[in-house]
Amino acid sequence: AQSVAQPEDQVNVAEGNPLTVKCTYSVSGNPYLFWYVQYPNRGLQFLLKYITGDNLVKGSYGFEAEFNKSQTSFHLKKPSALVSDSALYFCAGGPDNFNKFYFGSGTKLNVKP
Amino acid sequence: SAVISQKPSRDICQRGTSLTIQCQVDSQVTMMFWYRQQPGQSLTLIATANQGSEATYESGFVIDKFPISRPNLTFSTLTVSNMSPEDSSIYLCSVAGAGNNYGYTFGSGTRLTVV
Repeated sequence: AQSVAQPEDQVNVAEGNPLTVKCTYSVSGNPYLFWYVQYPNRGLQFLLKYITGDNLVKGSYGFEAEFNKSQTSFHLKKPSALVSDSALYFCAGGPDNFNKFYFGSGTKLNVKP
Repeated sequence: SAVISQKPSRDICQRGTSLTIQCQVDSQVTMMFWYRQQPGQSLTLIATANQGSEATYESGFVIDKFPISRPNLTFSTLTVSNMSPEDSSIYLCSVAGAGNNYGYTFGSGTRLTVV
């Protein structure tokens, strides 16, 4: 069965430190992978995507993610966390035939001053 | 990417009633999707709505409870019927781009509370 997994319910990091939010996938064929952020009482905001090309993808607000095919991972990273990055982050992905799109369970990121 | 307008943004409804959520896209799209996000949970796909055909429902969701219309390539509605408190969720519509613009764009969601 195809799926996207986020193994951490919550990630805590101090402001200014690097952050990583983990995501692994199980998708047939060539995966399309995405990261979204959700702030309280807001909809989903697109951060970045991997479709093809460079394994390191740069996105909005200084976030980046690295596609690792051998480890079937697509971890979200940021070199220096901000308190305003505190939110709920969702990894999502699907096969390149556009038929389905799977969401991870979400990871709550807490950045403390 | 597409811009989606979803309304209402929130509503409080009495149990046993129905609510219709509208999703308007600023460009023509083939596939539209409806998701539910229950409190504190991830997104679950309810159904895929393609213009000119019946919606395709995921396991656990049925047309009688969540009827969907897709009259054209820019608009869709989701109705939550005979509501109960368990239906209290955020409902989101989404569209898929294609080619280099591939990605799923989401509406801002409808926060539904059933009392």
